[in-house]
Amino acid sequence: GAVVSQHPSWVICKSGTSVKIECRSLDFQATTMFWYRQFPKQSLMLMATSNEGSKATYEQGVEKDKFLINHASLTLSTLTVTSAHPEDSSFYICSARDPSLGGENQPQHFGDGTRLSIL
Amino acid sequence: AQTVTQSQPEMSVQEAETVTLSCTYDTSESDYYLFWYKQPPSRQMILVIRQEAYKQQNATENRFSVNFQKAAKSFSLKISDSQLGDAAMYFCAYRGIYGGATNKLIFGTGTLLAVQP
Repeated sequence: GAVVSQHPSWVICKSGTSVKIECRSLDFQATTMFWYRQFPKQSLMLMATSNEGSKATYEQGVEKDKFLINHASLTLSTLTVTSAHPEDSSFYICSARDPSLGGENQPQHFGDGTRLSIL
Repeated sequence: AQTVTQSQPEMSVQEAETVTLSCTYDTSESDYYLFWYKQPPSRQMILVIRQEAYKQQNATENRFSVNFQKAAKSFSLKISDSQLGDAAMYFCAYRGIYGGATNKLIFGTGTLLAVQP
């Protein structure tokens, strides 16, 4: 089945640095990928929709300059947390749906997530 | 805008017993999809079951079944013969039918299920 790979799984870095998270569709081409943020014991909050070859669509309240999204190929989307601060510490998850399978009922496949800790 | 509500933050069930998790949603669309996802402590999102709104028959996947009440906009998940491995956070999710690959999932707040041995 379709697999979405996310890297790294855990990153710890100092405040002020930028962190890049990769999301890859391993066996299908994803024109669209989704980036979520999840705080402990809370739900997934959609941050943005990543569109291959065009600008990402950000949800209301998400800072575009803070969370840079690049979807340069049909199998890779990246989320860069710029000048990260402790409040950016969270669990970030990406997902994608395989359009080639057809049918709107096909579920989204999720990466295993990235635990980001900013010191 | 569509919303998904899970009114039970936490639930507990004895091993081998049955438990039902509640989910309600609000939408003005007539066709859509509903999903239940499981998130164990590993935090991996695992699809449990899905339901097409245009199908009247409730979806079933082994020990997991749903009670889909379209008029009431209710989509509950029943777990039969609960196992220790069922312990996880469960999320109800909605997705509209239009928009193709860009159609996003809208999640509920989740229900944390504990399974007692």
